[in-house]
Amino acid sequence: GQNIDQPTEMTATEGAIVQINCTYQTSGFNGLFWYQQHAGEAPTFLSYNVLDGLEEKGRFSSFLSRSKGYSYLLLKELQMKDSASYLCVPPDSWGKLQFGAGTQVVVTP
Amino acid sequence: DGGITQSPKYLFRKEGQNVTLSCEQNLNHDAMYWYRQDPGQGLRLIYYSQIVNDFQKGDIAEGYSVSREKKESFPLTVTSAQKNPTAFYLCASSSGTAINQPQHFGDGTRLSIL
Repeated sequence: GQNIDQPTEMTATEGAIVQINCTYQTSGFNGLFWYQQHAGEAPTFLSYNVLDGLEEKGRFSSFLSRSKGYSYLLLKELQMKDSASYLCVPPDSWGKLQFGAGTQVVVTP
Repeated sequence: DGGITQSPKYLFRKEGQNVTLSCEQNLNHDAMYWYRQDPGQGLRLIYYSQIVNDFQKGDIAEGYSVSREKKESFPLTVTSAQKNPTAFYLCASSSGTAINQPQHFGDGTRLSIL
C-alpha cells in the first residue's frame, strides 16, 4: 500500500517561492508524479521523478530522495494563476496512481 | 489538436436511471482510465483498460460498467445500483502501461441527481 503525507494548505505571496513537501511509504518504488489541479478542473501533469535529485522545468522543480521516501515540488516566482492543489502521486506496484487530496496553494497579491 | 474529450460537461440523472459518460481520445494511447472525485477528496479509480476489449476493476467499480470496443473510446455507464453517483468524473489516458507513463486527463463530467 501507499501512505502519502503532504500539507493540506500553504499560502504565499506573488513573486515568492513555495516548497511543497511530500513523504510517502510504498511497497515498491515506481517513481513519483506531481500533478496540478485548479479548482473545478482536471489534474494536469507537472513532473515525474524516478532518480534521486532535482529536476527543473521552468518555474517548477521537483526533487526526489528514494532512500528517505521524500519529494518536494518547488514553485518559483509565484503567480496568481499558480493558486491550485498540488498532488504528490506515487504509482503502486501495479502502476496504478494513488491520488490524495493534495496541498492547496493560495497565492496572495 | 490531440486530446481527450469528455461529454457532456454536466449531466443530471433521475433516480433509477442509467447514464453513460463519453470519453474519446485521439492520442493513440493504449491505456484509458475512469476516476471519480468527491469534493475535497482525491481521485479514486473506477475502471481501467490497457488494451481494446479488455478492462479491469479499480478500487470503486461497484455500480459502474465500461466497455472498450475501440482504442479511442472508453464510455462509463453509471447504473442505478450506484446509490451515490453525484461526483466529478474524470477520464484519463496514457501512451502505455509502463509505470513512468503520465496520465493525461479530459475536462471531466459533473453528474448530479435530480
